[in-house]
Amino acid sequence: NAGVTQTPKFRILKIGQSMTLQCTQDMNHNYMYWYRQDPGMGLKLIYYSVGAGITDKGEVPNGYNVSRSTTEDFPLRLELAAPSQTSVYFCGIGSTDTQYFGPGTRLTVL
Amino acid sequence: KQEVTQIPAALSVPEGENLVLNCSFTDSAIYNLQWFRQDPGKGLTSLLLIQSSQREQTSGRLNASLDKSSGRSTLYIAASQPGDSATYLCAVTTSGGFKTIFGAGTRLFVKA
Repeated sequence: NAGVTQTPKFRILKIGQSMTLQCTQDMNHNYMYWYRQDPGMGLKLIYYSVGAGITDKGEVPNGYNVSRSTTEDFPLRLELAAPSQTSVYFCGIGSTDTQYFGPGTRLTVL
Repeated sequence: KQEVTQIPAALSVPEGENLVLNCSFTDSAIYNLQWFRQDPGKGLTSLLLIQSSQREQTSGRLNASLDKSSGRSTLYIAASQPGDSATYLCAVTTSGGFKTIFGAGTRLFVKA
């Protein structure tokens, strides 16, 4: 998927647990994004970054945190997992001309 | 606030039929519009991207048009094939160029 790697592919969490979703790119893009996709819905932007050290909130940032210490990595942190965070999470890279997406992380919170 | 709507939500057609998927957006101040394909359980594949200054883009059997003033885009698929079965997502990038808003998608099923 165009040089975007996401780990893990699947994860089951208990309510209140925390975890970090990893996203790594090897295409040297400044822009990176985190989206979530609920069943039958489109993607909703959680956070985005326009470069190392710069992040900003998207449409649905509550319950998540991000950091961008390098161009390659853009991890997404869930501090206190809730059932409402059950979703598929996609990391994207790109520019204003196009976007590429990773294969996704399927997260279930029980 | 930009909102993106796709109609229909689902579509089933016989093989060989030409079809049109619709996308509408509420704020015409966009940077570009992109059509993606998503196969079940998979990520997204970019199909076509139309810059705000363009009217259409073509790739093989696919043609996407953009009417920014009316807030509409269409994806035309010619001579549909069973392999075209997937969910098609429309996404608009805001004029700041940083945020991309997605529609809920159209699930297409092409019957052999």
